[in-house]
Amino acid sequence: QVQLVQSGAEVKKPGASVKVSCKTSGYTFSSYGITWVRQAPGQGLEWMGWIRDYSGNTNYAQKLQGRVTMTTDTSTSTAYMELRSLRSDDTAVYYCARGLDWYGVWGQGTLVTVCS
Amino acid sequence: EIVLTQSPGTLSLSPGERATLSCRASQSFSSSYLAWYQQKPGQAPRLLIYGASSRATGIPDRFSGSGSGTDFSLTISRLEPEDFAVYYCQQYGSSPRTFGQGTKVEIK
Repeated sequence: QVQLVQSGAEVKKPGASVKVSCKTSGYTFSSYGITWVRQAPGQGLEWMGWIRDYSGNTNYAQKLQGRVTMTTDTSTSTAYMELRSLRSDDTAVYYCARGLDWYGVWGQGTLVTVCS
Repeated sequence: EIVLTQSPGTLSLSPGERATLSCRASQSFSSSYLAWYQQKPGQAPRLLIYGASSRATGIPDRFSGSGSGTDFSLTISRLEPEDFAVYYCQQYGSSPRTFGQGTKVEIK
């Protein structure tokens, strides 16, 4: 079955970087893009951006431009999201999801906590 | 950026009742590129509806979506105990993709 399995929880200090992985299986990785969505504690869903698997093209949310990089490793069918210069308001659960438009399969989420 | 406004913020209903959730866009977008998700505490969102009215695989037919232009709705015909959750709409007609702020359906 189609699965997206994310890396484990992270605790980071302000100013540090975090890189979250999303290992996919059960489908042809190059046929779908990957979208990243985050959810701050008690808040709604925030679209962060996407990466097209077959081209590596990316589209990032304006507010994250310059701090976020999304990449893929087609040899392992894994997507990555790196967020730099972390701030306390980056504390959230980060999700990867299959697709560029609507998202039928989601990872389990990765909690990233930013605190000093 | 298209802003999606969901109403009401909270819907208090009993099992067996009908739920109607609204999602209004700040501007019209391409075709009916709107999706609905259900999220329960501690879980990832689950896709219910895409293309404004197409049910995702495995979604019961008590869930239905409708609308076009700037006004969309999700209807749950008869609430089951497992339907009490938070629901989000999301547009994919333009970039950036955006989500509504969510409607919580709680047990009355």
